[in-house]
Amino acid sequence: QVQLQESGPGLVKPSETLSVTCTVSGASISRYYWSWIRQPPGKGLEWIGYIFYSGSTNYNPSLKSRVTISVDTSKNQFSLKLSSVTAADTAVYYCARGGDKQWPGFDYWGQGTLVTVSS
Amino acid sequence: QSVLTQPPSASGTPGQRVTISCFGSSSNIGSNYVYWYQQLPGTAPKLLIYRNNQRPSGVPDRFSGSKSGTSASLAISGLRSEDEADYYCATWDDSLSGRGVVFGGGTKLTVL
Repeated sequence: QVQLQESGPGLVKPSETLSVTCTVSGASISRYYWSWIRQPPGKGLEWIGYIFYSGSTNYNPSLKSRVTISVDTSKNQFSLKLSSVTAADTAVYYCARGGDKQWPGFDYWGQGTLVTVSS
Repeated sequence: QSVLTQPPSASGTPGQRVTISCFGSSSNIGSNYVYWYQQLPGTAPKLLIYRNNQRPSGVPDRFSGSKSGTSASLAISGLRSEDEADYYCATWDDSLSGRGVVFGGGTKLTVL
C-alpha cells in the first residue's frame, strides 16, 4: 500500500525558507511524478510543482521564482523549499503522487502538514 | 481567483441527485482530462474521478463525471449524509503564462 508522509517545521519566520520533506513507502519514487500541493486555511487547493526521479521539475508559474523541489531516490523522499515566505504562505502542505501532463491526477496523498509563517 | 470556476456551494436532500459544474477554457478543460476530488473535513483530498469519467477502485458508482467542451460536471446520485464535503475539479493547463495543474475553487456540498 502506497503511503506518503510529510515532515518539517510547523513554524517559519517571515522572509525565511520553508522546508518540507515527503517520505514515500510502498512504491518506488523512481517510477512516478511526485507533487506538492498546498491549501491555506479555509481556502482551496493550489498545485506548487512536480518532480520526476531524474530530477526534472515543473513549477506553478506564480511560485516559480521561490520554489525548489528536489528528490533523494536513495531515501525514497522528495522535498520542497519555498523561499522568502510571508503570511500568505501559511497553509497545509500536501505531497501527492502524480501531476504531469499525462497524468495530472493525484491518486495518493500524504495527510498534510500545517506550516505557519509568523514571527 | 481560480483558473477553473466552480459554484462555491451546492446542497441536496438524502436520496437526491446533485451536480457540480466546473468551467474552464480551451487551454485546460477543452484539451485535457478532468479530475475530481472529495475532501472530507480535516482530511486530505481523495481522488474521486479521473480522466473525465473513470472511477478509481472503491469509489461508489453513485459518483459520475462528464465533460463537454470547456466544462465538466460531477454528479452524485442517491445523496447520503457522508457525501457532505468539499469537491474540487482539476486538470492540466497549457496557457501561455505557464503549464501545470490547475484546480477549481471548490464546491462545498451540504446534505440537508
